[in-house]
Amino acid sequence: KQEVTQIPAALSVPEGENLVLNCSFTDSAIYNLQWFRQDPGKGLTSLLLIQSSQREQTSGRLNASLDKSSGRSTLYIAASQPGDSATYLCAVRGNGQNFVFGPGTRLSVLP
Amino acid sequence: KAGVTQTPRYLIKTRGQQVTLSCSPISGHRSVSWYQQTPGQGLQFLFEYFSETQRNKGNFPGRFSGRQFSNSRSEMNVSTLELGDSALYLCASSLGGEKLFFGSGTQLSVL
Repeated sequence: KQEVTQIPAALSVPEGENLVLNCSFTDSAIYNLQWFRQDPGKGLTSLLLIQSSQREQTSGRLNASLDKSSGRSTLYIAASQPGDSATYLCAVRGNGQNFVFGPGTRLSVLP
Repeated sequence: KAGVTQTPRYLIKTRGQQVTLSCSPISGHRSVSWYQQTPGQGLQFLFEYFSETQRNKGNFPGRFSGRQFSNSRSEMNVSTLELGDSALYLCASSLGGEKLFFGSGTQLSVL
């Protein structure tokens, strides 16, 4: 059974800092991995989708990497802004299976 | 292009009642999945439908059921509500299970 963990559970940084969020999964036989952000009381917004054959994906100030063999993914946020404050979740999907979500990292970027 | 629409946005029910939640996916998307989100358990997968067929099912009791119509719209039903069913219910659509697009959710409170 796939299990997904995220470290740290919460993070508070001053504006302008670069930061890294971590996601670990127990079964390396994944089909893809997706990073989301969630604002309080809202749905999830997809940030980046990495297929199992890929090593990383980039979108603007965001970069996500995937190391299947070690069961890890990282989300790098460059030059953080107060608008980046949200909960970040990673989710992994096995072939023909549903997405399994991590508990999330709650990020606060202080002005 | 309209996003994923969930109705109603908020719902208050009493124990023992039943409830039906609705989800209209993005036009052209044939996959709809449902999730329950609570502070204690995080995001948990309920079920996924693709072209009117249930493709995957999570570990929830039979009180939780769903269906998908020919226009890809989906409904989920919870019968005999319990206090523990209070949660944010999220629906996501995708073309075929790849990148997920979430609705804003239905906040269900069971009194």
